[in-house]
Amino acid sequence: DTAVSQTPKYLVTQMGNDKSIKCEQNLGHDTMYWYKQDSKKFLKIMFSYNNKELIINETVPNRFSPKSPDKAHLNLHINSLELGDSAVYFCASSLTDTEAFFGQGTRLTVV
Amino acid sequence: QKEVEQDPGPLSVPEGAIVSLNCTYSNSAFQYFMWYRQYSRKGPELLMYTYSSGNKEDGRFTAQVDKSSKYISLFIRDSQPSDSATYLCAMSEGNAGKSTFGDGTTLTVKP
Repeated sequence: DTAVSQTPKYLVTQMGNDKSIKCEQNLGHDTMYWYKQDSKKFLKIMFSYNNKELIINETVPNRFSPKSPDKAHLNLHINSLELGDSAVYFCASSLTDTEAFFGQGTRLTVV
Repeated sequence: QKEVEQDPGPLSVPEGAIVSLNCTYSNSAFQYFMWYRQYSRKGPELLMYTYSSGNKEDGRFTAQVDKSSKYISLFIRDSQPSDSATYLCAMSEGNAGKSTFGDGTTLTVKP
C-alpha cells in the first residue's frame, strides 16, 4: 500500500486555468504538507496542516488554496495558473518533527 | 542569504569511493538534522536524522552534526551505483514540523 499518494502524477494545463491536486495518507499522521520543488531541485514548504488546521502558510500567492477535509487528506487548489507555477508539487505527512514521508509528486506544466 | 546552504555538486565518483556531502546553516534554533535521498522522478525519502550534535551511523552511511560550526555532513562508504541520486539536507527547529531544505547535491556513482 502506498503511504502517501497524490493525484494526478502529471498535469499539463493552459495559463489561466484552475486545477486541483489531491493527496491522501494512510499512515495515521496528524501533520500534512505541501512542498514545491523547482527545476533546480530546491524544495520549499508551502503549507502545513495539523489535524485539519492550517499551521504554516509560507509566502504563497492567494491563488493557492489548501483544503483538508479530514486529517488523512490535504488537497491543493490553484486558481488562474501562471507559467511560473510549473514545478513538481509534493505532498508529505509526518508524525514527528523529524521524518516526513513524501508522495511521488505531481509534475505540473503550465503552457 | 539562505538559511541552509548545501555543496552544489554535481558529484561523480567511482564505485567504492567514500563520498562526503555537506551543508551549512545560519539558524541557531535548528535542532533536528535530516538527510533525504531523492531518486529521479521520485519523492524524497528519509535516510537519517540526528538530534543536536554528534554522529550517527547506519550501515554505509554516517551523519555528523557540528552545531558549534553550524555544519552537517553525510558520509557514504563503499559507494554503489544504486547510491546515485540527489541528496537533500533538511533542518528543523522542532516546531510544527517545518523543515528547511538545502538545494540538493546530485551524486553519480560510476561502476
